[in-house]
Amino acid sequence: DQQVKQNSPSLSVQEGRISILNCDYTNSMFDYFLWYKKYPAEGPTFLISISSIKDKNEDGRFTVFLNKSAKHLSLHIVPSQPGDSAVYFCAAWYNQGGKLIFGQGTELSVKP
Amino acid sequence: ETGVTQSPTHLIKTRGQQVTLRCSSQSGHNTVSWYQQALGQGPQFIFQYYREEENGRGNFPPRFSGLQFPNYSSELNVNALELDDSALYLCASSPPGDRNTEAFFGQGTRLTVV
Repeated sequence: DQQVKQNSPSLSVQEGRISILNCDYTNSMFDYFLWYKKYPAEGPTFLISISSIKDKNEDGRFTVFLNKSAKHLSLHIVPSQPGDSAVYFCAAWYNQGGKLIFGQGTELSVKP
Repeated sequence: ETGVTQSPTHLIKTRGQQVTLRCSSQSGHNTVSWYQQALGQGPQFIFQYYREEENGRGNFPPRFSGLQFPNYSSELNVNALELDDSALYLCASSPPGDRNTEAFFGQGTRLTVV
């Protein structure tokens, strides 16, 4: 039972353009969402988060949008840079048991 | 301030053996969580330790067990290894009163069971 889903395993974008990574969830009890970035041979690094009381959170080139009615969130990276090439994981905070539930990840490739 | 460190980085074990993975949490962090990341999948929560006690567990069998020490470092033990246990094992530490927003992950231990 995959409660957090990232349906695109990979995404390729040209440098300077916008990258949009999508994430869907099924459990309406989730109230906090996070995006992590992972380079090969490194652990995931926290990127940006959003509480369910908001519909948008922005941090520099990164913006996360949350649509609660659709149980959907997205991460926008503008402008995309080659250094952004990594695997991006969407995660939901599950208060019972204090755990993060991750999606399968989307591998972003930003081409120069 | 040192980050989260895990050891070893790689190891190979035989089916049926036992393995212990280690994690040193970031300074000031008293909560440690362990995750298993299979190839092509996202990390899956194994369990969490807070103040040396298990504080939540995912859908993993009892042969997955852990410890947290007074200095907040932690161990993950897996008994009777199976081929499907081959994965990247990630440790994350977070400070008190946090939603894991500031959870810092180690680089992981790549376990291969043959």
